[in-house]
Amino acid sequence: GESVGLHLPTLSVQEGDNSIINCAYSNSASDYFIWYKQESGKGPQFIIDIRSNMDKRQGQRVTVLLNKTVKHLSLQIAATQPGDSAVYFCAENTGNQFYFGTGTSLTVIP
Amino acid sequence: DTEVTQTPKHLVMGMTNKKSLKCEQHMGHRAMYWYKQKAKKPPELMFVYSYEKLSINESVPSRFSPECPNSSLLNLHLHALQPEDSALYLCASSPRGRNYGYTFGSGTRLTVV
Repeated sequence: GESVGLHLPTLSVQEGDNSIINCAYSNSASDYFIWYKQESGKGPQFIIDIRSNMDKRQGQRVTVLLNKTVKHLSLQIAATQPGDSAVYFCAENTGNQFYFGTGTSLTVIP
Repeated sequence: DTEVTQTPKHLVMGMTNKKSLKCEQHMGHRAMYWYKQKAKKPPELMFVYSYEKLSINESVPSRFSPECPNSSLLNLHLHALQPEDSALYLCASSPRGRNYGYTFGSGTRLTVV
């Protein structure tokens, strides 16, 4: 499944399926982006980052895609697991500070 | 040590109280941050400290007063808060400079009554 992360949307996926979470960022001058995962009662946790000179970066089970033309980021999670259930935020680095997007709540159905 | 530690985890305070939130890291990071997060919303930047000096104040009301006593500690002093200030307050740190991710603490859940 996939979603657009503009108004804290929710995304529900079956365990084992792939998830796609989208984010639109605001500043065309931003040159560094991070996806964070936030579980209930915890602070945001770094998942993966990408610099603006790249359009794709892969980690363990996660891939981030960057489209600078339309100012769009996506996070792909392969073989989604129940432990992936959380709120996911993209963050853009502007002027040496990170500003967060709206977030997407991911629920994995066992 | 790769953690940011925040205390207390929960705080309930009256509108006339004075309290402080504390944040500590021992990773040698020279930039530290306070964020405020309301329920179902993204974290919002409040303050940035770079080399123990305040470099960014995102138009935060004066009832919030940050302090950075040394490179490992960051405090947020609270006075005369309003119920709408109830939120999760997150501290983060990073190596100084661009293109480094932040390490976040677990936050202090503040309730103003």
